[in-house]
Amino acid sequence: QKEVEQDPGPLSVPEGAIVSLNCTYSNSAFQYFMWYRQYSRKGPELLMYTYSSGNKEDGRFTAQVDKSSKYISLFIRDSQPSDSATYLCAMTEGSSYKLIFGSGTRLLVRP
Amino acid sequence: SQTIHQWPATLVQPVGSPLSLECTVEGTSNPNLYWYRQAAGRGLQLLFYSVGIGQISSEVPQNLSASRPQDRQFILSSKKLLLSDSGFYLCAWSVVPTGEKLFFGSGTQLSVL
Repeated sequence: QKEVEQDPGPLSVPEGAIVSLNCTYSNSAFQYFMWYRQYSRKGPELLMYTYSSGNKEDGRFTAQVDKSSKYISLFIRDSQPSDSATYLCAMTEGSSYKLIFGSGTRLLVRP
Repeated sequence: SQTIHQWPATLVQPVGSPLSLECTVEGTSNPNLYWYRQAAGRGLQLLFYSVGIGQISSEVPQNLSASRPQDRQFILSSKKLLLSDSGFYLCAWSVVPTGEKLFFGSGTQLSVL
């Protein structure tokens, strides 16, 4: 079993839709959770960073962490074609230098 | 502000040839530095990380090596490339001591033929 599971997609939605991206994990020691956005043939860009359970909002993006269920989500409101990219979740114990990444979900927002 | 430079963007190399990919960070001191590889449709695999000059930790035994000759310079090398070394290579840095947030370079697409 992988430490971090992420549906690879692709996920295709119409412009303006609410998008939900999810990851599950097995290591209860993970404390820090991140979402990265990666455009084709580019380096990942840090979108959201959370530490505690609950929600964190930044513009159209909301990151949600449920440590009891070992489940994290990224919600994108009013999705735009420019949001089309691969979204990677990542997490770490904090005491480790090693981030564990999900395999990424490819998102396509149709105009 | 901090920036990370990685080059080249694209590289095509024959099997058995050597490799040298370079990464430099500006605007910060004593960063943690990382090399990741991303295979098509897969997640990021940590290859090496460094917490200081000359300090290299290897995550996956393989045909590659890394060096950190200067505080903000990280080099990925191979003496003889294999077909399986093809992939998208990413350099990244993080701030000491937290280390949780990684900032990535633009990547190098390596094709070994």
